[in-house]
Amino acid sequence: AQKITQTQPGMFVQEKEAVTLDCTYDTSDQSYGLFWYKQPSSGEMIFLIYQGSYDEQNATEGRYSLNFQKARKSANLVISASQLGDSAMYFCAMRESLSGGYNKLIFGAGTRLAVHP
Amino acid sequence: DAGVTQSPTHLIKTRGQQVTLRCSPKSGHDTVSWYQQALGQGPQFIFQYYEEEERQRGNFPDRFSGHQFPNYSSELNVNALLLGDSALYLCASSLGVGGEKLFFGSGTQLSVL
Repeated sequence: AQKITQTQPGMFVQEKEAVTLDCTYDTSDQSYGLFWYKQPSSGEMIFLIYQGSYDEQNATEGRYSLNFQKARKSANLVISASQLGDSAMYFCAMRESLSGGYNKLIFGAGTRLAVHP
Repeated sequence: DAGVTQSPTHLIKTRGQQVTLRCSPKSGHDTVSWYQQALGQGPQFIFQYYEEEERQRGNFPDRFSGHQFPNYSSELNVNALLLGDSALYLCASSLGVGGEKLFFGSGTQLSVL
């Protein structure tokens, strides 16, 4: 069964520093996608970054980058130059392909990030 | 360009009651998925609607049902509420059933007393 593991329940970082949030995954599929979402206290899940299993380059979106190590089945999120507004829950997710071309997301348990001034 | 909107934002019900949650997808999106997020956990897939039909379903009992309307909006219905149904219910929309980028709403916080 496909699974996402986030081993860090909570992390803190000083403002303007970089932080890495860990994510490992388990799948037998050859084609899959990995996502990171941010969930502030408002509840909305905000898409941050996506990495396809066949993408050779690590994905980057502004201050977010995804450190994709396929052999180790890890997809860590790196946030550079942390800001106070980055304080939130962060979820790693994997696209699971279903029959008929449908898919769903499988989420990890999340990591709560606190950015300190 | 409106994003995914959900209503109501909060809801309090008692055990045994029935509840209906509503979702309007992002403009241009035709597929709606529902997720349940219990406190301290990641979201779990409930089901997905496309062309007004339930296409895929997660491991949820038949008490959970849904509907999609011709304008692509969707409802989630839960019958015979249990205390364990208390959670944040998130709606996500995408373009096409294989759409990779899901856009989520802010959710409906359901409390069952």
